Amino acid sequence: EVQLVESGGGSVQPGGSLRLSCLASGFTFSSYWMTWVRHTPGKGLECVANIEHDGSEKYYVDSVKGRFTISRDNAKNSLYLQMNNLRAEDTAVYYCARDRLVTGRHYYYGLGVWGQGTTVTVSS
Amino acid sequence: DIVMTQSPLSLPVTPGEPASISCKSSQSLLHRNGKNYLDWYLQKPGQSPHLLIYLASNRASGVPDRFSGSGSGTDFTLKISRVEAEDVGIYYCMEALQTPQTFGQGTKVEIK
Repeated sequence: EVQLVESGGGSVQPGGSLRLSCLASGFTFSSYWMTWVRHTPGKGLECVANIEHDGSEKYYVDSVKGRFTISRDNAKNSLYLQMNNLRAEDTAVYYCARDRLVTGRHYYYGLGVWGQGTTVTVSS
Repeated sequence: DIVMTQSPLSLPVTPGEPASISCKSSQSLLHRNGKNYLDWYLQKPGQSPHLLIYLASNRASGVPDRFSGSGSGTDFTLKISRVEAEDVGIYYCMEALQTPQTFGQGTKVEIK
């Protein structure tokens, strides 16, 4: 079964840090870009960061640049999001999602697999 | 940056009737490969989002054929031919031409 399972969410004070993890199974993790998406009731869905299949390139939305770091360990089928200097506006449910397939060429089939989400609350 | 604008933001629907959501992008989503990088997602209450349509008109695996996507360039539409009660939730379009991708504001679909 193709599956993504996030963990690491929690409550933290402004300025604090959290590290989210996403464990993939049921597919060849090292062949896919991966994306972190967050959801807030007020703002809806927002793509936070992407990482290429081999970790060579990383992309961030402006609001998290310099504070968040996306990384992956293909040997462990795992994706990570290190979140530093957290702000109240980072409060959200964070999802990892499977992005484009790379097997020599790039193949796009949408964000076809999502995890169940992990909740991050930033509050004093 | 590409801005995605959906309309309407709220859509009361009657089961058995058709429904339609519009999505407009501030830049063309037509790639030089001829494909439009526009997806549609549904987030049902209490669930993770899931993919309905990718590349403007391709239904994802397991998505009922009452859902269809159309459009090109900057104007796109998601149509539900006959709404069912299980279709309630928030529908999002998302451009996939840039990274990170950008979502529309969402359209809340609820039963009248």
